[in-house]
Amino acid sequence: AQKVTQAQTEISVVEKEDVTLDCVYETRDTTYYLFWYKQPPSGELVFLIRRNSFDEQNEISGRYSWNFQKSTSSFNFTITASQVVDSAVYFCALSEPHDFTGGGNKLTFGTGTQLKVEL
Amino acid sequence: DGGITQSPKYLFRKEGQNVTLSCEQNLNHDAMYWYRQDPGQGLRLIYYSQIVNDFQKGDIAEGYSVSREKKESFPLTVTSAQKNPTAFYLCASSGDSSSGNTIYFGEGSWLTVV
Repeated sequence: AQKVTQAQTEISVVEKEDVTLDCVYETRDTTYYLFWYKQPPSGELVFLIRRNSFDEQNEISGRYSWNFQKSTSSFNFTITASQVVDSAVYFCALSEPHDFTGGGNKLTFGTGTQLKVEL
Repeated sequence: DGGITQSPKYLFRKEGQNVTLSCEQNLNHDAMYWYRQDPGQGLRLIYYSQIVNDFQKGDIAEGYSVSREKKESFPLTVTSAQKNPTAFYLCASSGDSSSGNTIYFGEGSWLTVV
């Protein structure tokens, strides 16, 4: 069965510091998707990125970057020059599209990393 | 605005009562989901529906029921059989493979048993 591990329960940084959130996954499937979501205090999960298992290129979006390494089954997320607005819980998730026969997919979530950015 | 709307945001329930959480989406997505989140934990799948008039149990379906009579709507009923219903409930939906089946979430509903 698939599993996602976010070993960092809580991280505190000072504004403008860089911070990396770790995500390690387990799956027997060769085709899968990896996701990162942000959950601010309001509660809604905000989609940040989707990566499929065949694309190992790293991605950068503004202050956010993601490092996908199949060899170590990791999909780490780095925030550069962190800001107070980045304070949230961040979830890594894994899906195996073929879990569902008719489309859609089932997400397996990690337990989340609480990021606190202080002035 | 396009998105997923959940209501109510906060709900209090007396023990022994059934309550229904509403979820509506205008994204024209076929698949819809209900997840439960407990403090300090990840999300766990309660029920999902890939198409109208069809739904399947997720990992923690006991004590819950759903219906999918319309594409836009996927209400969740928390029954009195659910022994520990106090939690944060998130509804979600996803489109087809062209979007990578990305799941988008609503703002969530807090349910408290009093």
